[in-house]
Amino acid sequence: GENVEQHPSTLSVQEGDSAVIKCTYSDSASNYFPWYKQELGKRPQLIIDIRSNVGEKKDQRIAVTLNKTAKHFSLHITETQPEDSAVYFCAASKRDMRFGAGTRLTVKP
Amino acid sequence: ETGVTQTPRHLVMGMTNKKSLKCEQHLGHNAMYWYKQSAKKPLELMFVYSLEERVENNSVPSRFSPECPNSSHLFLHLHTLQPEDSALYLCASSQDKANEQFFGPGTRLTVL
Repeated sequence: GENVEQHPSTLSVQEGDSAVIKCTYSDSASNYFPWYKQELGKRPQLIIDIRSNVGEKKDQRIAVTLNKTAKHFSLHITETQPEDSAVYFCAASKRDMRFGAGTRLTVKP
Repeated sequence: ETGVTQTPRHLVMGMTNKKSLKCEQHLGHNAMYWYKQSAKKPLELMFVYSLEERVENNSVPSRFSPECPNSSHLFLHLHTLQPEDSALYLCASSQDKANEQFFGPGTRLTVL
């Protein structure tokens, strides 16, 4: 089955800096890669996703890149703000979705 | 509101109690999930139901018993739990197992 690894487990940045979270997956057939954000005490919510026929997708300050050959994808957050502080989960799926272990991002004002 | 609701939101129970967690989705999805979220293992998949049939059971102890009476409802029956079962239990649903999952707010369970 699919195995998703996520790094780093914790990330602390200064407000205004960029943050990058990386994930690798094992099943080359996976074709859907969502990213979820979970704020403290709240449910995980989708923030951006990408399918395997696209190499990059951007939505305002967040972007996701996918390298199918290397089987890794990354979340990029630019101009970070304190409200970006949360746990971020990546996931990969073909027939079943598997989540990474999460990255706790702290943005210091 | 994401269309997935869970009750109760908080539950405290003793090790000898029997209780049930309820999840309901109003999105017309055909797959539903139970996750356990604790500090040690974030988003630990427990059970998957697709078209009301259990298709995955990730070595979960028998003291957790899922039930999916129809495509909109999912239950998790709990009995003789252990303190280490204390966690946030999240329900999710999706249209087919490979697509975006929508999560409920979770039930914060404390086992005394």
